[in-house]
Amino acid sequence: SQELEQSPQSLIVQEGKNLTINCTSSKTLYGLYWYKQKYGEGLIFLMMLQKGGEEKSHEKITAKLDEKKQQSSLHITASQPSHAGIYLCGADIPSRRDDKIIFGKGTRLHILP
Amino acid sequence: EAQVTQNPRYLITVTGKKLTVTCSQNMNHEYMSWYRQDPGLGLRQIYYSMNVEVTDKGDVPEGYKVSRKEKRNFPLILESPSPNQTSLYFCASSFGRAFETQYFGPGTRLLVL
Repeated sequence: SQELEQSPQSLIVQEGKNLTINCTSSKTLYGLYWYKQKYGEGLIFLMMLQKGGEEKSHEKITAKLDEKKQQSSLHITASQPSHAGIYLCGADIPSRRDDKIIFGKGTRLHILP
Repeated sequence: EAQVTQNPRYLITVTGKKLTVTCSQNMNHEYMSWYRQDPGLGLRQIYYSMNVEVTDKGDVPEGYKVSRKEKRNFPLILESPSPNQTSLYFCASSFGRAFETQYFGPGTRLLVL
């Protein structure tokens, strides 16, 4: 089963609208990472969240980690064409006892002009 | 400029013909890894290396080999490629398990006929 679930799988929004992407784990996370990928290119790190209840912002993108550290949301305010791409969450799960992070399947975001 | 480079960027080959995808980073990172990205399956780790001469299997290692003889290089070897290895491959590096420092390469598109 997928350890990290992202929703929705794809999203089409009108330019200027707000949107939210979710990332959910069945296990407590040590760290939660958000990345953005332009189609066919490598991933670019956006933000890392470690503490329950933590919230970080970068330009018009805000990410939160819930108190139980099992769910994160990425919120984009007043979306722009430059926000289009694939958003992936990655997580460091202590119970796995390995030295790697796992990724969700990604959310494809399209922005309509 | 800090970067992870991969070569080649695009490759078409035939079943059974050995190939190597090179990966190099200029940030003195200890940790390097290889991922493959497939539609509907997301990003999955193939192999990773915590440091020189230390490598370990990721979630989908079958059919792949790696080596880490130098800190900066982490080649991915397909001894006998098969069509199910057609994918988009990414190399990444970071300072240890500080995944917020992880840089991704631009990707290698492989088609195995």
